Amino acid sequence: SAVISQKPSRDICQRGTSLTIQCQVDSQVTMMFWYRQQPGQSLTLIATANQGSEATYESGFVIDKFPISRPNLTFSTLTVSNLSPEDSSIYLCSVGRRGLQETQYFGPGTRLLVL
Amino acid sequence: SQQGEEDPQALSIQEGENATMNCSYKTSINNLQWYRQNSGRGLVHLILIRSNEREKHSGRLRVTLDTSKKSSSLLITASRAADTASYFCATEWKSSGDKLTFGTGTRLAVRP
Repeated sequence: SAVISQKPSRDICQRGTSLTIQCQVDSQVTMMFWYRQQPGQSLTLIATANQGSEATYESGFVIDKFPISRPNLTFSTLTVSNLSPEDSSIYLCSVGRRGLQETQYFGPGTRLLVL
Repeated sequence: SQQGEEDPQALSIQEGENATMNCSYKTSINNLQWYRQNSGRGLVHLILIRSNEREKHSGRLRVTLDTSKKSSSLLITASRAADTASYFCATEWKSSGDKLTFGTGTRLAVRP
């Protein structure tokens, strides 16, 4: 298993600002993913964070709005830019190992409220 | 949308009763996973079942998979108040690499 931490655990932001969320894993992992969970909804994959290259975004998500960094195999950041109230969600990172059909482990999530 | 559907959306039972949740999906999968989420917090992994498996057990949990019907069920036996949570199925499609697609979720309430 992997132990994953996220910072911050929650934040309240003003519209038009940005929030950067950090995800730290206690071991090196191949795959890191970022999800959004809107209030009362299921999880939607935002992007796959690739070490040493640009993230791969899912349909409906763009790099300008959700820039992602992955400088090494244990750390990634997700920035939510130009915040609007519609961005109020829980943002979760998860980790897995490529091609092994194993469990994905999730961080505790970051709860964002945009006023 | 490739998102799976879960039913029921909400389930309320008495402590000690069994709870069954169902998940349907649309494409061929490598595996299907069940997760639990307490009060909008992080997800806890429960069970992974591969496409060539039909049933798996873990403690009070029993998961079945029917690939011909593209469906899975999660049974929680002898439920406890602490089982109150949202339960999600997630599928890893054959064409998706390692990405997971989550179902809509079932909110389970276990009354003491």
